[in-house]
Amino acid sequence: GESVGLHLPTLSVQEGDNSIINCAYSNSASDYFIWYKQESGKGPQFIIDIRSNMDKRQGQRVTVLLNKTVKHLSLQIAATQPGDSAVYFCAENGAGANNLFFGTGTRLTVIP
Amino acid sequence: GAVVSQHPSRVICKSGTSVKIECRSLDFQATTMFWYRQFPKQSLMLMATSNEGSKATYEQGVEKDKFLINHASLTLSTLTVTSAHPEDSSFYICSAPGQYSTDTQYFGPGTRLTVL
Repeated sequence: GESVGLHLPTLSVQEGDNSIINCAYSNSASDYFIWYKQESGKGPQFIIDIRSNMDKRQGQRVTVLLNKTVKHLSLQIAATQPGDSAVYFCAENGAGANNLFFGTGTRLTVIP
Repeated sequence: GAVVSQHPSRVICKSGTSVKIECRSLDFQATTMFWYRQFPKQSLMLMATSNEGSKATYEQGVEKDKFLINHASLTLSTLTVTSAHPEDSSFYICSAPGQYSTDTQYFGPGTRLTVL
């Protein structure tokens, strides 16, 4: 029979605008969260991480927000550029485990 | 930063053959490595944890006899897809935790496997 795969949520933004990508995680015991960027045909690239004792962390042009009450994580990209076009995944470490569990991902398309 | 390499980057094989994929940590040692599989337009799914000097730990639903993992040294883990079938076609990605911070995962560039 025909198989139906998951379809990535998509987000399109104009170049120069800010982007917000959201992620809901499942394990309330997870204490470490990471955002990865994945370009087509490549492995995931680390963007920014945050521990559960924080609710906000900033990097260069990126900010991660963590809301443990509703188990929600977001990635904000300021002044989005065409090079930011990729699929973005959130990942959690599942309560101190070494391995990571990935969210479904969001495809970001930046319109020049 | 730490670098993880994979070889080959792409492989095409006939159904029924076996394919070996290598994952190397280039400038650090990794007693643990992780193997993920990613189907088109889907997320990464953890297949197994490769442990140097001991047996790999497989996730539920992953056949250990089909996906053989050998952690030969502190810098090399191999994944062998035995008797490959078209449904095994996927993007296989390995990762290794950092030597000083095991929370940090360094990912390889991935291997695209196509089984005809």
